[in-house]
Amino acid sequence: QKEVEQDPGPLSVPEGAIVSLNCTYSNSAFQYFMWYRQYSRKGPELLMYTYSSGNKEDGRFTAQVDKSSKYISLFIRDSQPSDSATYLCAMSARPGTSGTYKYIFGTGTRLKVLA
Amino acid sequence: GAGVSQSPRYKVAKRGQDVALRCDPISGHVSLFWYQQALGQGPEFLTYFQNEAQLDKSGLPSDRFFAERPEGSVSTLKIQRTQQEDSAVYLCASSLDAGIGQPQHFGDGTRLSIL
Repeated sequence: QKEVEQDPGPLSVPEGAIVSLNCTYSNSAFQYFMWYRQYSRKGPELLMYTYSSGNKEDGRFTAQVDKSSKYISLFIRDSQPSDSATYLCAMSARPGTSGTYKYIFGTGTRLKVLA
Repeated sequence: GAGVSQSPRYKVAKRGQDVALRCDPISGHVSLFWYQQALGQGPEFLTYFQNEAQLDKSGLPSDRFFAERPEGSVSTLKIQRTQQEDSAVYLCASSLDAGIGQPQHFGDGTRLSIL
């Protein structure tokens, strides 16, 4: 079993819909939770960065973290065709002796917003 | 530059050749990470530098992989005697100071194809 599970999709929605993207994880040590957007042949672009449990909103994007259920979500309101991309969740724990905040990524969910 | 810069963007090599991939992190960023991204998968951690010190190389798949950051800025990932399974996108990320969980910012990667 992978440390981070994410449905690969593809997920197709009409323009203007609310999109819900989710990841589950098994490592209770994870404390930092990120969402990245990746367009084809480009690098991951940071969308949301949260620490511990709770909600965080930024424009049309809302990130939720439920540490008790080991479940994180990204909501996109009023989705646009330009939101069509792969969305990656990533997590990290406080480092051990190496001091590494290495990220553990999900496989990514492909999203297509239809005009 | 404003973001993480990687070169070359594309590299084709014959099996058995050595390759070198370059990463220019965001100016002033202390921490630098290398990840490997296979097609349809999320990035996987390879190695981490804090300034010029390589603090974690636990993700390097074999001793054919070698990374350096001699002056604490530009980093090079070298792969010796390349194999077909090395074909992937190699992503570099930097953060201001990973010691306190700062978010990582990614370059667009080098797409490596081994024939």
